[in-house]
Amino acid sequence: SQTIHQWPATLVQPVGSPLSLECTVEGTSNPNLYWYRQAAGRGLQLLFYSVGIGQISSEVPQNLSASRPQDRQFILSSKKLLLSDSGFYLCAWSIGDEQYFGPGTRLTVT
Amino acid sequence: SQKIEQNSEALNIQEGKTATLTCNYTNYSPAYLQWYRQDPGRGPVFLLLIRENEKEKRKERLKVTFDTTLKQSLFHITASQPADSATYLCALEGLDSSYKLIFGSGTRLLVRP
Repeated sequence: SQTIHQWPATLVQPVGSPLSLECTVEGTSNPNLYWYRQAAGRGLQLLFYSVGIGQISSEVPQNLSASRPQDRQFILSSKKLLLSDSGFYLCAWSIGDEQYFGPGTRLTVT
Repeated sequence: SQKIEQNSEALNIQEGKTATLTCNYTNYSPAYLQWYRQDPGRGPVFLLLIRENEKEKRKERLKVTFDTTLKQSLFHITASQPADSATYLCALEGLDSSYKLIFGSGTRLLVRP
């Protein structure tokens, strides 16, 4: 069966520090991969999606970037965090039309 | 642009009753619509997908309808239980890419014992 992992589960970072969140998927090949952000009490905002290694589509202009160095690995990065980057970050994968989400990373920028 | 509306107010019902949640959308005719459940601090969990040529779909105590004329989907939970308490999100296929989903902000359901 397929499994999706995200780490870390929680993170507290100062403004201006770098960020790296990692997501890996097991049990499937060539998945589409997604990064979302969810602000408190809000819906999911799609940040990036990838349909293959090295193929990244950005949905929202921001100081975040994403990379897909391997088929089942998706990384979200920032060189300098802003206060507005705080939120709940979710990685998801899909083969068909439905998406399967990881446990999420709670990021607090102080 | 696409707009998805879900009732932002929580739905509070008695155990055993049927919960009905609404998802309305505008400016688009999606090929399908999906429903997800999200518990606090957790990622959403896929529940059901209904396509534009399907009027209704069922899964155990769940039922989804899709009215492409009204641009509306209804999500029903029959014989509701306190364990059904969660936030329910609807999602549409992205307008510019079938790889994307656009999510509504969700409706919180509270089932009282």
